[in-house]
Amino acid sequence: KAGVTQTPRYLIKTRGQQVTLSCSPISGHRSVSWYQQTPGQGLQFLFEYFSETQRNKGNFPGRFSGRQFSNSRSEMNVSTLELGDSALYLCASSSDMTAGELFFGEGSRLTVL
Amino acid sequence: AQRVTQPEKLLSVFKGAPVELKCNYSYSGSPELFWYVQYSRQRLQLLLRHISRESIKGFTADLNKGETSFHLKKPFAQEEDSAMYYCALRGSGGSYIPTFGRGTSLIVHP
Repeated sequence: KAGVTQTPRYLIKTRGQQVTLSCSPISGHRSVSWYQQTPGQGLQFLFEYFSETQRNKGNFPGRFSGRQFSNSRSEMNVSTLELGDSALYLCASSSDMTAGELFFGEGSRLTVL
Repeated sequence: AQRVTQPEKLLSVFKGAPVELKCNYSYSGSPELFWYVQYSRQRLQLLLRHISRESIKGFTADLNKGETSFHLKKPFAQEEDSAMYYCALRGSGGSYIPTFGRGTSLIVHP
């Protein structure tokens, strides 16, 4: 089975721009969750989608949004980028987040200049 | 609110020495606890979860509800254990948002 795939792996943006990141879950997995990883804060939960519906949302501003498509692929969008948004964004999939184990992608490293 | 604390940013030991990575949590209900590991240039992956009560790669972790801890232990560290370790908590009762600790970097010297 192919693992969780995230694209792009690296990207550089400037303040004020917006960015879209993509995540393809493991085949058959319906839950996709997103995390922001920074050296100082560790992993922080952004949101989780299940069957195209956002089930949970973390404590991030409205500039962070996401969606999930019928094939379970998910995208997250960050608008009006700030320097502090520079981070590794991780996507994880599971058959159902209530089931426990998360399978992570390699992440998309965003640098905001 | 749920919280996970990993008090050590860095743990440095020699090969063959015992290892204990500390994890303390705060949660009012019955949590589910996990340890995730990230080896160099690899993706984050599950190491073990408390409900499995199994030993993976020689590591064990016991949930101590009295001390609200879930420390990860290995009696004899190996160089290949060098990695970043994250303790994670998942709540119950409808909210399954996972909370991760900030991670502990384990370095095992030859």
